[in-house]
Amino acid sequence: GENVEQHPSTLSVQEGDSAVIKCTYSDSASNYFPWYKQELGKRPQLIIDIRSNVGEKKDQRIAVTLNKTAKHFSLHITETQPEDSAVYFCAAKRDFTGANNLFFGTGTRLTVIP
Amino acid sequence: ETGVTQSPTHLIKTRGQQVTLRCSSQSGHNTVSWYQQALGQGPQFIFQYYREEENGRGNFPPRFSGLQFPNYSSELNVNALELDDSALYLCASSWTGATNEKLFFGSGTQLSVL
Repeated sequence: GENVEQHPSTLSVQEGDSAVIKCTYSDSASNYFPWYKQELGKRPQLIIDIRSNVGEKKDQRIAVTLNKTAKHFSLHITETQPEDSAVYFCAAKRDFTGANNLFFGTGTRLTVIP
Repeated sequence: ETGVTQSPTHLIKTRGQQVTLRCSSQSGHNTVSWYQQALGQGPQFIFQYYREEENGRGNFPPRFSGLQFPNYSSELNVNALELDDSALYLCASSWTGATNEKLFFGSGTQLSVL
């Protein structure tokens, strides 16, 4: 099955700096890669996703890059703000399989220091 | 906020008991997936229901079972509870169509097994 590795496990940045979280996956057939943000005691929220036919996608301060050859993808947050503090999870799955079996990484706890 | 609702929000059971968790999917969605999130870990796929049938299952024993109803709501049943079943149980809804992605999670049910 798919194995998603995520690092770092914790990340502290100064407000206004950038944060980068990296994930690797093992299944070359995976073609959908979402990122979720989970605040303490709350639901995982989809913040951005990318399909394998796209190398990069951006939404305001958040961007995701995908390198299919190397089987890794990254989340980039620019101009970080205290409200960006949360646990971020990457995930991967094969699309078009009929089953929403997302394989999640182990999470990165991001702390933005005011 | 998503339209995925789960009940109850918290539950305490003892070993050997049985539990039923409930989920109402977001309007317009026809598929429900269940995930288990242990403390400090990423969610793990339990199973998915589409058209009232199980449509994909993760590495969970048969004592984890489910149902989907005609209105697309769903139940997760766990028999013979074990201490390791203590976790946050997340329901996610999606639309199964040409592509099968963009899971939206509910707030979860926190299950404690004593």
